[in-house]
Amino acid sequence: EVQLVQSGAEVKKPGESLKISCKGSGYRFSNYWIGWVRQMPGKGLEWMGTIYPGDSDTRYRSSFQGQVTMSADKSISTAYLQWSSLKASDTAMFYCARLDYSRGAYYFDYWGQGTLVTVSS
Amino acid sequence: EIVLTQSPGTLSLSPGERATLSCRASQSISSSSLAWYQQKPGQALRLLMYGASSRATGIPDRFSGSGSGTDFTLTISRLEPEDFAVYYCQHYASSPLYTFGQGTKLEIK
Repeated sequence: EVQLVQSGAEVKKPGESLKISCKGSGYRFSNYWIGWVRQMPGKGLEWMGTIYPGDSDTRYRSSFQGQVTMSADKSISTAYLQWSSLKASDTAMFYCARLDYSRGAYYFDYWGQGTLVTVSS
Repeated sequence: EIVLTQSPGTLSLSPGERATLSCRASQSISSSSLAWYQQKPGQALRLLMYGASSRATGIPDRFSGSGSGTDFTLTISRLEPEDFAVYYCQHYASSPLYTFGQGTKLEIK
């Protein structure tokens, strides 16, 4: 059974750093892209970027480039999303999701349960 | 960037009724690039449809997807209590760029 298990909720102050995780199981983690999706309070879904754990090839949405860093450790089947200096506007739920491919397109076939990040002074 | 507009914003129906959810793209897209997801509070999002009309693993056949060009539809033939949720359509472009619609909330009438 494919599973993505994310790290727990975080409460941080502005300016602090943070790294959240997404651990995959039930499939060959190295062989599938992982995407990160943000959902701000009461809002819809917004794709942030994707990483290929096999070689750590990373693609960022332009609006998130330089704001976050995605990484992966294929030896422990875990992907990461990190911030060096959080802002209050980073408060959101963050989801990781596996990407599958069919007929020329990718789609998110399995999702983590989400990690709630709250940034408040 | 393709913009996806979902309608209606909220749909109020009763169990047993038929639900029709719309997703309109700002320009013509390949049907293979369109997916639908279900979101329920406290649960992981679930892939329902990919390639506009292919059901994902384990999705009941009361869910169906259709459409082409700019207009796509998710239909739930007979609503079950567990179907009341928020539904999102999503487009893939090869940059890559993944865009979501703003969602349709399906609520119990």
